[in-house]
Amino acid sequence: QEQLVQSGADVKKPGASVKVSCKASGYTFTDYFMHWVRQAPGQGLEWIGWINPNTGGTNCAQKFLGRVTMTRDTSISTAYMVLSRLRSDDTAVYYCARVRTKYQPLFDSWGQGTLVTVSS
Amino acid sequence: QSALTQPRSVSGSPGQSVTISCTGTSSDIGSYNYVSWYQQHPGKAPKVMIYDVSKRPSGVPDRFSGSKSGDTASLTISGLQADDEADYYCCSYAGTYTFVFGTGTKLTVL
Repeated sequence: QEQLVQSGADVKKPGASVKVSCKASGYTFTDYFMHWVRQAPGQGLEWIGWINPNTGGTNCAQKFLGRVTMTRDTSISTAYMVLSRLRSDDTAVYYCARVRTKYQPLFDSWGQGTLVTVSS
Repeated sequence: QSALTQPRSVSGSPGQSVTISCTGTSSDIGSYNYVSWYQQHPGKAPKVMIYDVSKRPSGVPDRFSGSKSGDTASLTISGLQADDEADYYCCSYAGTYTFVFGTGTKLTVL
């Protein structure tokens, strides 16, 4: 059974960076793109971007360009997302979710979510 | 890329049917048959209910169906049950290997 397990909640000050990890198990890590999606408190889902664990290639929504970095370590089947220059409106639950193809938004397995709180 | 537009809320009584709309543009929903729908209960991760406009993953009841016309996709839930009460989000491929979610709809089962 495939599973995505994320790192624990984190609190950061404005201007800092946060790193969230997502460890995959139960499937071949390099067979699926890993996406990142966030949800601010009481708000909707927002797509951030993806990494191809096979090649390391990435793509993200325009609003996150220059602020988000996605990497992976295939030896431990783990994907990472770093969001820098944090603002208070970056406070959200961050999810990782896998997708099979580049164009089909079929998120068929999700992590449990990581709450990132940005506060001074 | 702007979020797809969904009604803030819809409601229905047990056994009835409800339809949730998701309006995009010719750059996303209007150009691709890659629309999916997610159900999210409070405090939980989303769960895919429909993909590729109208396909159901295994395990999803056939009470859930999807369709698309022009720039608008729709999710219909028939035979409403109490456990269907949740938030629902659409998601579309938006070109250049990017995705966009809808604003979300709260379904209340009366």
